[in-house]
Amino acid sequence: GEDVEQSLFLSVREGDSSVINCTYTDSSSTYLYWYKQEPGAGLQLLTYIFSNMDMKQDQRLTVLLNKKDKHLSLRIADTQTGDSAIYFCAETPGGYNKLIFGAGTRLAVHP
Amino acid sequence: GAVVSQHPSRVICKSGTSVKIECRSLDFQATTMFWYRQFPKQSLMLMATSNEGSKATYEQGVEKDKFLINHASLTLSTLTVTSAHPEDSSFYICSALPSSGGDQETQYFGPGTRLLVL
Repeated sequence: GEDVEQSLFLSVREGDSSVINCTYTDSSSTYLYWYKQEPGAGLQLLTYIFSNMDMKQDQRLTVLLNKKDKHLSLRIADTQTGDSAIYFCAETPGGYNKLIFGAGTRLAVHP
Repeated sequence: GAVVSQHPSRVICKSGTSVKIECRSLDFQATTMFWYRQFPKQSLMLMATSNEGSKATYEQGVEKDKFLINHASLTLSTLTVTSAHPEDSSFYICSALPSSGGDQETQYFGPGTRLLVL
């Protein structure tokens, strides 16, 4: 079946690194995505990783993919208050463009 | 680039009326658009896939006669909630998949439309 799981809440101190974890079920997912949602807004694409990659880095963001364990993580370096939001991971089952989202992880950044 | 707009951003209507929500890709063409629904503090649930020039594909459990989708052009898809009831109140978000002029592996999301049915 299609199921994406995330921890619901993460609290970090400003300047620390944040690591948000996600597990997915469909091994045929071609791409795995991380989106950010601020209150009352739509989704902003943060980054994505192709399924044959282990790691992707984009400025403060590092995505790690363990395909064997179907585990995806997003690391945000030097977390800032502006990073406070809900972060969704999403898989693409069957390799198609249909996105299946996790429940979202609410990141709270405190001084 | 790759901007998607939705209109209206917020709508309040009476029970029994119909509401139309527009989704536009502003700087790219999109053969395929998607409609999602999000309840408070929950994830996005895919409602349907909208294909330009053909019928939409609905997810299991979504009533196609209740949620009418029209994808009349390569930059516009509309979702009409017919005979809306309070339980239809939700945040509706669309996304568009570039067929040209953007990253064709990535869905770009609109800002969402908050519907409140009284």
